[in-house]
Amino acid sequence: GENVEQHPSTLSVQEGDSAVIKCTYSDSASNYFPWYKQELGKRPQLIIDIRSNVGEKKDQRIAVTLNKTAKHFSLHITETQPEDSAVYFCAASTPPGNTGKLIFGQGTTLQVKP
Amino acid sequence: DGGITQSPKYLFRKEGQNVTLSCEQNLNHDAMYWYRQDPGQGLRLIYYSQIVNDFQKGDIAEGYSVSREKKESFPLTVTSAQKNPTAFYLCASSPREGVGGYTFGSGTRLTVV
Repeated sequence: GENVEQHPSTLSVQEGDSAVIKCTYSDSASNYFPWYKQELGKRPQLIIDIRSNVGEKKDQRIAVTLNKTAKHFSLHITETQPEDSAVYFCAASTPPGNTGKLIFGQGTTLQVKP
Repeated sequence: DGGITQSPKYLFRKEGQNVTLSCEQNLNHDAMYWYRQDPGQGLRLIYYSQIVNDFQKGDIAEGYSVSREKKESFPLTVTSAQKNPTAFYLCASSPREGVGGYTFGSGTRLTVV
């Protein structure tokens, strides 16, 4: 089955710096890769996603890149702000017709220091 | 609550008891999921359901049971066979298996006392 590895487990940056979180997946059939942000005590919220027919997607300060050949994808946050501090999860999903469920990485705790 | 409601928010279980966690959605989503969250371990899939009256085991189904009698509801029972049930439980739904991201409920924190 699919396995998703996420690194680093913790990341501390100064406000205004960039942050990068990387994930690798094992199933080459995976075609959907969302990223979730979870603030302390709250539910995970989808922040950006990418499909396998696209190499990069950007939404304001957040971008995701996908390398299908290497089976890895990354989240990039630029100009970080203290409110970006949270746990971030990557996930991968295979198409309908297979299992299709999301398999999550272990999470990255991002701390943005003012 | 974003269309998917979990209750209760906090639940305490005595040793040997079964407890049921509720998950209800009004998003007309076909698929529903239960995940367990432990510190440092991310979200692990317990059970999922693609359609009414059908569900599949996830990676850590032992000690848990589910039902899907209605499209809107996907309750999770934590049985006495689950030896380490203390965790944060998240329910999620999606429009169709493998299509689009999940909408999560606000979670239930279960503690064994």
